[in-house]
Amino acid sequence: KAGVTQTPRYLIKTRGQQVTLSCSPISGHRSVSWYQQTPGQGLQFLFEYFSETQRNKGNFPGRFSGRQFSNSRSEMNVSTLELGDSALYLCASSSTGTGLLGNTIYFGEGSWLTVV
Amino acid sequence: AQSVTQLGSHVSVSEGALVLLRCNYSSSVPPYLFWYVQYPNQGLQLLLKYTTGATLVKGINGFEAEFKKSETSFHLTKPSAHMSDAAEYFCAVSYSGGGADGLTFGKGTHLIIQP
Repeated sequence: KAGVTQTPRYLIKTRGQQVTLSCSPISGHRSVSWYQQTPGQGLQFLFEYFSETQRNKGNFPGRFSGRQFSNSRSEMNVSTLELGDSALYLCASSSTGTGLLGNTIYFGEGSWLTVV
Repeated sequence: AQSVTQLGSHVSVSEGALVLLRCNYSSSVPPYLFWYVQYPNQGLQLLLKYTTGATLVKGINGFEAEFKKSETSFHLTKPSAHMSDAAEYFCAVSYSGGGADGLTFGKGTHLIIQP
């Protein structure tokens, strides 16, 4: 069974540009969430999608956005990039997301974004 | 708001020695608790989780953790460290099971194994 797949793995962008990261969840999983990992702030929750609807959002500016497609694949977009957006962006998937016992969240290997 | 505190950003143990990584959480309602491991340049891998039921939880690679409500702790242990255990370990908490509300992570503990 294939795991969570994220593309691209590494990318370099210039300040002011925008970037789109892609995530393919585990087959059958309908919940996809995104996290930002930096040395200073650690792992922080960005947002979560379930059946194409955003259910919750972390404390990030509106420059960070996402969407989910009917096949559960998800993309996140960061506009007007800042140096502080340099981070590892992790995608995670789970079968349902909310409230059920045994709900395990599986993470992808991440997309390393460097803003110069 | 929920929070997680991991005591010790770096922990060093000798190969074959006991591994103890500490995690305390703040919560006004029963939490779901998780331990994840991250190897260099990789994503997070679930070691174990506590949802309800037995408070001693066994995970992969010989790790286990005990949920102690009175101490609001969920420490991770392994009886005998192996060189391959060297990695970053994260404790996390959620209320919904980690879906819609997201996981709140601790800052992480870097485990160093001395030969």
